[in-house]
Amino acid sequence: ETGVTQTPRHLVMGMTNKKSLKCEQHLGHNAMYWYKQSAKKPLELMFVYNFKEQTENNSVPSRFSPECPNSSHLFLHLHTLQPEDSALYLCASSQPRGELFFGEGSRLTVL
Amino acid sequence: QKEVEQNSGPLSVPEGAIASLNCTYSDRGSQSFFWYRQYSGKSPELIMSIYSNGDKEDGRFTAQLNKASQYVSLLIRDSQPSDSATYLCAVNSRTGTASKLTFGTGTRLQVTL
Repeated sequence: ETGVTQTPRHLVMGMTNKKSLKCEQHLGHNAMYWYKQSAKKPLELMFVYNFKEQTENNSVPSRFSPECPNSSHLFLHLHTLQPEDSALYLCASSQPRGELFFGEGSRLTVL
Repeated sequence: QKEVEQNSGPLSVPEGAIASLNCTYSDRGSQSFFWYRQYSGKSPELIMSIYSNGDKEDGRFTAQLNKASQYVSLLIRDSQPSDSATYLCAVNSRTGTASKLTFGTGTRLQVTL
C-alpha cells in the first residue's frame, strides 16, 4: 500500500452539496495535515492534527470541517462551498523531524 | 507573516548542466528546511532535507543552507529532462512532534535537450 492515500481523487460538487475527503496513512506517523493548493499560490496550511488532537487551524472558514478519529485517518468535510474553493487538497503526514509525506491529492471543483 | 520566497521561473538549463534553485525565508527561528519536487498534476515529493548550515549531498542533488543569510539552495548536477518539474522550498518554523511548513510558490525548471 502507498504511504498516504487520498480519496476521491476528483470531486465535482455544487455549492449546496455536502461531501467529504478521506485520507489514510500507513507510515506510522503521529501528525496529519490538510493543505490547499491553488494555481499561482503557495501551498496553504489548513489544519494540523497531532496524536488525533487539532493543533492548528489556519483561519479556515467553517464550511471546511476536519475530523481525525485516529492517527491514521483524517477527513475533511465540505459543505456550502464557494467556486473559489476549487483547488487541489493535499493530505500529508509526518514524524517529529518535520518531513511531510503527501498523498496524491483530491482535485475539487465547485460549480 | 512568515514568508518563503522563490523565483517562479521558468529556469531553463541544457541537459547535463547544473541547475541552481534558490530560496530565502523571513523567519530567523526556522529549524528545518526541505526541497520538494512536484510534477504537473502530481503531489509534492520530498527530495532533500537539511537542518544545519553547510552542504548536504544526495546523489545528483546538493542542498545548501546559510542561516545567517536566511538562504537555502538546491543544486542539481547533470540535469536530465526527467528533472523538469516545479521545485518547492519549504521551511519549518516549529520544533516538536508536529511541523508547520511554510512553502514558497515554487520554481519551474525546464531541462532542454
